[in-house]
Amino acid sequence: AQRVTQPEKLLSVFKGAPVELKCNYSYSGSPELFWYVQYSRQRLQLLLRHISRESIKGFTADLNKGETSFHLKKPFAQEEDSAMYYCALSGQGAQKLVFGQGTRLTINP
Amino acid sequence: DVKVTQSSRYLVKRTGEKVFLECVQDMDHENMFWYRQDPGLGLRLIYFSYDVKMKEKGDIPEGYSVSREKKERFSLILESASTNQTSMYLCASSPRPSTLGHFGDGTRLSIL
Repeated sequence: AQRVTQPEKLLSVFKGAPVELKCNYSYSGSPELFWYVQYSRQRLQLLLRHISRESIKGFTADLNKGETSFHLKKPFAQEEDSAMYYCALSGQGAQKLVFGQGTRLTINP
Repeated sequence: DVKVTQSSRYLVKRTGEKVFLECVQDMDHENMFWYRQDPGLGLRLIYFSYDVKMKEKGDIPEGYSVSREKKERFSLILESASTNQTSMYLCASSPRPSTLGHFGDGTRLSIL
């Protein structure tokens, strides 16, 4: 079975501080992992995917198969990063994504 | 730019009513999805469709059905609305089923 766990419902950091949003997964095969973001009053949108190994808006995420984690990181938080973040997983040949419970990130000025 | 349009942003219905939520996409995507979004529970898949007239149950299909008569339109139906179906409903479409790039604005449904 596929499962995604985001242990923090709420995360609050100060502007300029580093940010790490945790994501752990359970899947026996090789997963595809994603981070989605929803800013206030906006649509849910794809932020990044692990296969692209890209940095988007200063965020990066590394797949750690040993720890079955895909944490989202940013070295210096900005106020506009305040949003709801979801980690998601797709298994090999899967027809759907499984989402975590979400973490609401608040960046304090 | 891909557009996924949900017919209503807010909807209020009564217990026992039959409720239709409509979703239209304009990019000829094969795959369409309905999720509900609840605080602390994340997004949970209700139904999805990978072709016209095809549908598959997601993780929480009970109390819901879907219809996909045309490629661009995917409808979610609450057969007999109940208060525990009060939620935010999100529609999505994608050319690949395992990556969702395009969501609608959502319909906030309240069942009284």
